[in-house]
Amino acid sequence: TQLLEQSPQFLSIQEGENLTVYCNSSSVFSSLQWYRQEPGEGPVLLVTVVTGGEVKKLKRLTFQFGDARKDSSLHITAAQPGDTGLYLCAGAMTTDSWGKFQFGAGTQVVVTP
Amino acid sequence: NAGVMQNPRHLVRRRGQEARLRCSPMKGHSHVYWYRQLPEEGLKFMVYLQKENIIDESGMPKERFSAEFPKEGPSILRIQQVVRGDSAAYFCASSPDGSYGYTFGSGTRLTVV
Repeated sequence: TQLLEQSPQFLSIQEGENLTVYCNSSSVFSSLQWYRQEPGEGPVLLVTVVTGGEVKKLKRLTFQFGDARKDSSLHITAAQPGDTGLYLCAGAMTTDSWGKFQFGAGTQVVVTP
Repeated sequence: NAGVMQNPRHLVRRRGQEARLRCSPMKGHSHVYWYRQLPEEGLKFMVYLQKENIIDESGMPKERFSAEFPKEGPSILRIQQVVRGDSAAYFCASSPDGSYGYTFGSGTRLTVV
């Protein structure tokens, strides 16, 4: 079982639409990251959130960390084909060694023109 | 400033052979992490190393797998007597201080035939 549950597993939308993906857990995390991974490549870090309730914006991407630091969401406004990829959340547990992260299984996003 | 370099990108081994995967971290990064990714699954932590030290190997299988990060040269993940279940993408990541997200390499895709 995954410590971090991501939903949905797969999302297909048209260019210009909005989407939200979720990352949920029953555990508390000291920080949480979002990555995007393209086929044949390693994940690329998008954002790190560390404070409960924190909201960060990166152009058309909005990231939110839950008040209790157990969950997070990623919202994309006016999606573009370049947003296609596997979105992964990763959390650092206070009980783990510094720098070790637990990853969710990912949400595959496909944006068609 | 080159990113995290992994080689080879693709590696094919017969059952029973040894696989050696190399990872050169980003310049200035002294923390190296190895993760394994199986289809439909998220990245699974294997080991966390600093120069000449294994900090956390809680994700490493007890047998056949070993990792090192010598004073000079790349980090090496070594798998002895490979089996088909070892087929996966192996990613290396580095960070400057062990926190707030990684820079990943492009991975080594190991296929055991």
